[in-house]
Amino acid sequence: DGGITQSPKYLFRKEGQNVTLSCEQNLNHDAMYWYRQDPGQGLRLIYYSQIVNDFQKGDIAEGYSVSREKKESFPLTVTSAQKNPTAFYLCASSIRTGGNTDTQYFGPGTRLTVL
Amino acid sequence: AQSVSQHNHHVILSEAASLELGCNYSYGGTVNLFWYVQYPGQHLQLLLKYFSGDPLVKGIKGFEAEFIKSKFSFNLRKPSVQWSDTAEYFCAVNARSGGSYIPTFGRGTSLIVHP
Repeated sequence: DGGITQSPKYLFRKEGQNVTLSCEQNLNHDAMYWYRQDPGQGLRLIYYSQIVNDFQKGDIAEGYSVSREKKESFPLTVTSAQKNPTAFYLCASSIRTGGNTDTQYFGPGTRLTVL
Repeated sequence: AQSVSQHNHHVILSEAASLELGCNYSYGGTVNLFWYVQYPGQHLQLLLKYFSGDPLVKGIKGFEAEFIKSKFSFNLRKPSVQWSDTAEYFCAVNARSGGSYIPTFGRGTSLIVHP
């Protein structure tokens, strides 16, 4: 089955530690995205990538970093510089970023709790 | 920058009641509009989308939405809701940002349908 996988489902970290969230897709999509979902705030775009080895900041990129070394993988690192990292993180992909009609396909999400 | 407003944050209905969820966007250029739904425990998924043609768009599970350009609106409707429609609903806009179309999501509406 084609889709997006995110691991782990739940993640706990101590304050001050960096943590990396995994996102893999086998849909052969060019574009991938990371969102943060907080209650009452909807989805906010952290980073997106249109092609391998290229990525752009979204609306709330501070304290996060990404890489796109392979088409199917787009890991997100939550660094210690992120002031409020506890949240639900969603990864998504679409056939291409430039396509204005493109539907986004979402993974199951990772819930990160920083203690 | 574009923005998306969803006016109803929490909606509680009884089965068979009619539903209308408001969505307004702020962007003067060409937009493409989406409604996504997140059922409890499931991935966020596409409900329907508009990109051209008939402004009344039909989606899955009996949902429809009407694009009214003059009002910058894309309201979601269903004549008779079911308990299984309990979910969180997100309106989204793909609008041009630089050379690409980047999605912007509203804050979401939580719908609870009582049997």
